[in-house]
Amino acid sequence: NAGVTQTPKFRVLKTGQSMTLLCAQDMNHEYMYWYRQDPGMGLRLIHYSVGEGTTAKGEVPDGYNVSRLKKQNFLLGLESAAPSQTSVYFCASRRGRGPSDTQYFGPGTRLTVL
Amino acid sequence: SQQGEEDPQALSIQEGENATMNCSYKTSINNLQWYRQNSGRGLVHLILIRSNEREKHSGRLRVTLDTSKKSSSLLITASRAADTASYFCATGRQSTGGYQKVTFGTGTKLQVIP
Repeated sequence: NAGVTQTPKFRVLKTGQSMTLLCAQDMNHEYMYWYRQDPGMGLRLIHYSVGEGTTAKGEVPDGYNVSRLKKQNFLLGLESAAPSQTSVYFCASRRGRGPSDTQYFGPGTRLTVL
Repeated sequence: SQQGEEDPQALSIQEGENATMNCSYKTSINNLQWYRQNSGRGLVHLILIRSNEREKHSGRLRVTLDTSKKSSSLLITASRAADTASYFCATGRQSTGGYQKVTFGTGTKLQVIP
């Protein structure tokens, strides 16, 4: 199993450009998450999904959109990138919502917005 | 503010010594998890402790949880240079939306000097 994979690994955008980050998991997990990690801020939840076709807002959803058309994929979109979105983005998946179900993380995408 | 706050923010020890990191949180939780993050990489799950457990072991790792003090500690015994990483605690609690909300702290940066 590849676990959780993310593409691309690095990206540089100009302000106003758009892009989509792809997260894929091969563990048949129901739950998927997008986080951003900024220095001194820990990880903050952007959006999440509790199953195919569902999405919900997390802690910092503004400026991002997501889609979960297939169970194994969770896409994070930036329609008009801003320098404040410079960050490292992590995707995670989880089998269920039981107290022993842990999150598995992807390797991250480092995004710089100029 | 973050649900989980790690202490200390940074820790530097000699190889072979023990490393202790603490995590404090504010609200009641279902579980608490510890993750490791090597520089430039994703998060790796280390251990999960449920709210009704007080101590858990995994190899050289020992985690304690004191729900009355709303705190947890991670002890790494006989540290190795390869343990150099950032360590995050993450609290899990049931949200009003019916899913388990996981909130990450800001992390402890551990350096183990050979």
